[in-house]
Amino acid sequence: DTAVSQTPKYLVTQMGNDKSIKCEQNLGHDTMYWYKQDSKKFLKIMFSYNNKELIINETVPNRFSPKSPDKAHLNLHINSLELGDSAVYFCASSQAVEQYFGPGTRLTVT
Amino acid sequence: GENVEQHPSTLSVQEGDSAVIKCTYSDSASNYFPWYKQELGKRPQLIIDIRSNVGEKKDQRIAVTLNKTAKHFSLHITETQPEDSAVYFCAADPSGGGADGLTFGKGTHLIIQP
Repeated sequence: DTAVSQTPKYLVTQMGNDKSIKCEQNLGHDTMYWYKQDSKKFLKIMFSYNNKELIINETVPNRFSPKSPDKAHLNLHINSLELGDSAVYFCASSQAVEQYFGPGTRLTVT
Repeated sequence: GENVEQHPSTLSVQEGDSAVIKCTYSDSASNYFPWYKQELGKRPQLIIDIRSNVGEKKDQRIAVTLNKTAKHFSLHITETQPEDSAVYFCAADPSGGGADGLTFGKGTHLIIQP
């Protein structure tokens, strides 16, 4: 069974559109994260949620809004997409410190 | 905040030789240091980690060392094989408990030459 899953795997959209990425984990972990990996492969934390509560927001534009309907899900909604938002977005989860990543969503904004 | 520097950015070694990747961190509060392997088009996968109360940890051909005083840690891969080719990331946990997420180094592209 997949521990951390994301949908969709690929997302191609035009500038100005609004899109969402969904993440689910079946590990029973309390903490979930969103990371952005840019074209140079640099991985950077965006958000951290613990038991549905936002813990950190690392200077991410407010066009990005995470939502956690329950402990097992953390979705990412992006408004007014820009070219610079093109990247691979990874969801991850952890119970203590060990983090497990989802397969990633490759977002391409044209 | 935490800052993690990783070197080298690219490392090419002959199959069977050893590879060493080095990282430094800035926040003395960090006490958890994982290493991730990422193959092309795949997710980062945890391969080994070390907590600040130990200086070395080994798992088969992979070992990690930590020097808290100098704030640096290293990944050692012995008897390299073609399947070791990937991008390797070091990371540090500035919160000490996972809540703040991980701060990653910029990655090392390891190439194993046959």
